[in-house]
Amino acid sequence: EVQLVESGGGLVKPGGSLRLSCAASGFTFSSYNMNWVRQAPGKGLEWVSSVSSGSGYIYYADSVKGRFTISRDNAKNSLYLQMNSLRAEDTAVYYCARVIVATRGPSDYWGQGTLVTVSS
Amino acid sequence: EIVLTQYPGTLSLSPGERAALSCRASQSVSSSYVAWYQQKPGQAPRLLIYGASSRATGIPDRFSGSGSGTDFTLTISRLEPEDFALYYCQQYGSSLTFGGGTKVEIK
Repeated sequence: EVQLVESGGGLVKPGGSLRLSCAASGFTFSSYNMNWVRQAPGKGLEWVSSVSSGSGYIYYADSVKGRFTISRDNAKNSLYLQMNSLRAEDTAVYYCARVIVATRGPSDYWGQGTLVTVSS
Repeated sequence: EIVLTQYPGTLSLSPGERAALSCRASQSVSSSYVAWYQQKPGQAPRLLIYGASSRATGIPDRFSGSGSGTDFTLTISRLEPEDFALYYCQQYGSSLTFGGGTKVEIK
């Protein structure tokens, strides 16, 4: 069974940092591109970042470029999102998701999400 | 950036009725790289359709997708009680963006 489990969310002050992790199981993690997608409370979905299976291609939304860094460790079946210089508008549930086609493509499996709250 | 506009914002229908949800792109989406998701409160999105018309694994055939260029449609042929939810379209032809969503509610 495919499982994606996010962790690392929490309350952080503006300007602070947080590192999210996503543990993958039930599939060959190293064969899939991965997405991070977020959803602010009561709002729609927003793509954050994508990484190809071998980390050769990495993409960011303009809203996070220069502040967030996506990475993965295929030996540990894990995906990460390092978030720096956090702002109030980064408050959201962050989902990791498996991409089924293209590098930045649709996702067939999603984690349950981890909540990041940026507030003083 | 390609902006996706979904309409209507809310669709009020009864079980058994047909639902047609629209997604319009601000510019043509290459290769019909459009996907549709369903989301229920407190849950992660669920992929329904990708490539404009291909059903994801395990999705019932009452869900179908169509369209090309700038106009795409998700059709639910006969609404089941579990289909009342939020629906999002997504384009992945140029970067990746989501529409604002359409809520399908019970009339």
